[in-house]
Amino acid sequence: GENVEQHPSTLSVQEGDSAVIKCTYSDSASNYFPWYKQELGKRPQLIIDIRSNVGEKKDQRIAVTLNKTAKHFSLHITETQPEDSAVYFCAASRWDTNAGKSTFGDGTTLTVKP
Amino acid sequence: DTAVSQTPKYLVTQMGNDKSIKCEQNLGHDTMYWYKQDSKKFLKIMFSYNNKELIINETVPNRFSPKSPDKAHLNLHINSLELGDSAVYFCASSNADRGRWGYTFGSGTRLTVV
Repeated sequence: GENVEQHPSTLSVQEGDSAVIKCTYSDSASNYFPWYKQELGKRPQLIIDIRSNVGEKKDQRIAVTLNKTAKHFSLHITETQPEDSAVYFCAASRWDTNAGKSTFGDGTTLTVKP
Repeated sequence: DTAVSQTPKYLVTQMGNDKSIKCEQNLGHDTMYWYKQDSKKFLKIMFSYNNKELIINETVPNRFSPKSPDKAHLNLHINSLELGDSAVYFCASSNADRGRWGYTFGSGTRLTVV
């Protein structure tokens, strides 16, 4: 089955700095890579995703890059703000027909210091 | 309107009891999931249903039994609760048949077994 490794497990940055979280996956057939943000005591929420036919995707201050050859993908947050503080999860999934599931990384706790 | 709702939000019960958690989504999604989030925040898939059909059944003790009466509802029944079952259980849904693979999570049910 799919195995997803996520690094670092904790990340502390100063407000305004950039943050990068990296994930690697094992199943070369995986074709969908979402990122979720989970604030303390809340549900995970999808913030950005990328499919295997795309190398990069950007949405305002967040971007995701995918390297299929190396089987890794990364989340980039620029101009970090205190409200970006949360646990971030990457996931990888192989979707064909309806039988897909997301395998999650272990999470990165991001702290943005004002 | 809540997109994915779970009840109850909190559940405290004694070892050996049987309990159920209910989930409903009003998004018209065709696929629903149960994930378990343990004390270290790791998210692990338990079950997935597509249009009421069980399609994913991970290695979960058979004390856990999911049921999907229709594609908008997915319930989880747990028999003979054990201390190790204490966790937050998240229901999620996606629109797999339309290629929308990202999850919408419910608010979670925090189960504490004493």
